[in-house]
Amino acid sequence: EAEVAQSPRYKITEKSQAVAFWCDPISGHATLYWYRQILGQGPELLVQFQDESVVDDSQLPKDRFSAERLKGVDSTLKIQPAELGDSAMYLCASSLQRNLLYEQYFGPGTRLTVT
Amino acid sequence: SQQGEEDPQALSIQEGENATMNCSYKTSINNLQWYRQNSGRGLVHLILIRSNEREKHSGRLRVTLDTSKKSSSLLITASRAADTASYFCATDENYGQNFVFGPGTRLSVLP
Repeated sequence: EAEVAQSPRYKITEKSQAVAFWCDPISGHATLYWYRQILGQGPELLVQFQDESVVDDSQLPKDRFSAERLKGVDSTLKIQPAELGDSAMYLCASSLQRNLLYEQYFGPGTRLTVT
Repeated sequence: SQQGEEDPQALSIQEGENATMNCSYKTSINNLQWYRQNSGRGLVHLILIRSNEREKHSGRLRVTLDTSKKSSSLLITASRAADTASYFCATDENYGQNFVFGPGTRLSVLP
C-alpha cells in the first residue's frame, strides 16, 4: 500500500541553527499539507500546496519558516533559525484533491527537538 | 486556529466496554472527519461524515453529527487494547478548504 514518506524521523538541533524536513506524498496526490503538532495537542496546519502552488500559508511563521514543492511532487519544509518553541512533531499529509471529501494520508512525522 | 474541541480529554475504559468521544465546533461546516493517532505516529483516517448526514457506521465505529448543536460523537463498541490511541475530529472552517483539528481525546483501553 502506498505511503507518505518523511525524513528524517528524528532531528535534534541547537537553537539558531537551520533544519529541513522532506516529504514524499503518495503518487498522484495533488494536495500536500504540512502540519505542526505540539505534544498533547492536535495538528496545526502550516501550509497547503495544490500541485506546486501554495494555496494556504496563513499559519506559517514566514520570518523563519519556508516551504516549497517545486515540481509538484515532493516537498521541503525549512526552519531558519530554529527556536526552542519549534520543538514539535512535523507531519506531512497528502490527498487526491483539495476537497475535504477526500481523506488525508499522513506520514510518520519528524520529531524535532531544539536545544 | 483550532476549531474542533473534543471531550473528554482523556478516557480510560476496560476491554469490551464502549467508548464515546465528543467533538464540538463553532462555525458551519461541509464535512467532519475522525482520525486516530497511535503514540508518536501519523494520523489515520477513520470516517467521514457530511453535513447532510446524521449517522454513519464503519465496523465497530459509529459517528453521529448534529449540525444544530454543532457537535459530533464517535462511538467505539466492544473496545480492544489495540484501540488505545488519541482520537481527533477535524472540520472544514466556514465552508473553507482547510482542515482544523481539535486537541484530541486520549483513549486507554485496559486489558
